[in-house]
Amino acid sequence: DVKVTQSSRYLVKRTGEKVFLECVQDMDHENMFWYRQDPGLGLRLIYFSYDVKMKEKGDIPEGYSVSREKKERFSLILESASTNQTSMYLCASSPSGTGELFFGEGSRLTVL
Amino acid sequence: GESVGLHLPTLSVQEGDNSIINCAYSNSASDYFIWYKQESGKGPQFIIDIRSNMDKRQGQRVTVLLNKTVKHLSLQIAATQPGDSAVYFCADLTGANSKLTFGKGITLSVRP
Repeated sequence: DVKVTQSSRYLVKRTGEKVFLECVQDMDHENMFWYRQDPGLGLRLIYFSYDVKMKEKGDIPEGYSVSREKKERFSLILESASTNQTSMYLCASSPSGTGELFFGEGSRLTVL
Repeated sequence: GESVGLHLPTLSVQEGDNSIINCAYSNSASDYFIWYKQESGKGPQFIIDIRSNMDKRQGQRVTVLLNKTVKHLSLQIAATQPGDSAVYFCADLTGANSKLTFGKGITLSVRP
């Protein structure tokens, strides 16, 4: 089975802190994605990556950056967390050429 | 802007009845559609997909219908069970950018 593992299920951070959300997939997928999920807004794409060291902005990249140094790992970085970044963050991966995403369990971030 | 959206935020059905979840999309260039199910506390899971050259596809207890004329997608669940209670998302993908656009989600609640 495909497994997408997010490092933390729950995090609480303070405004201005730097936050790292880690995601690892074990199926050698080329594509990896970071979404945030908010009530009434559904899933919104933050960043995605088609290959190592490649990244593309999604629909809401402001306030975020990403890193993909290894194929299996895709990190989401909040350089200076703000309260409006309190959300559920979902990582996903997919094989090249398909739209079928495999999601992790999510990381719920609260910024105080 | 172009978007994928769901007609209603919630749907309540009696156990054993059939459920129909509807979705409208606006991007006429979309050529691939997926339905995801998200149970409480988990990441979304793939249910079924359909390509734009088809108008119907069946899985186990689920059927997806695509009407390209009116840009409408529906998910039918036969003999709905308590385990079907979840949030359902439709998503579309265009070949141009190969990233999914998700609808806002609809909650299916199954009454015993």
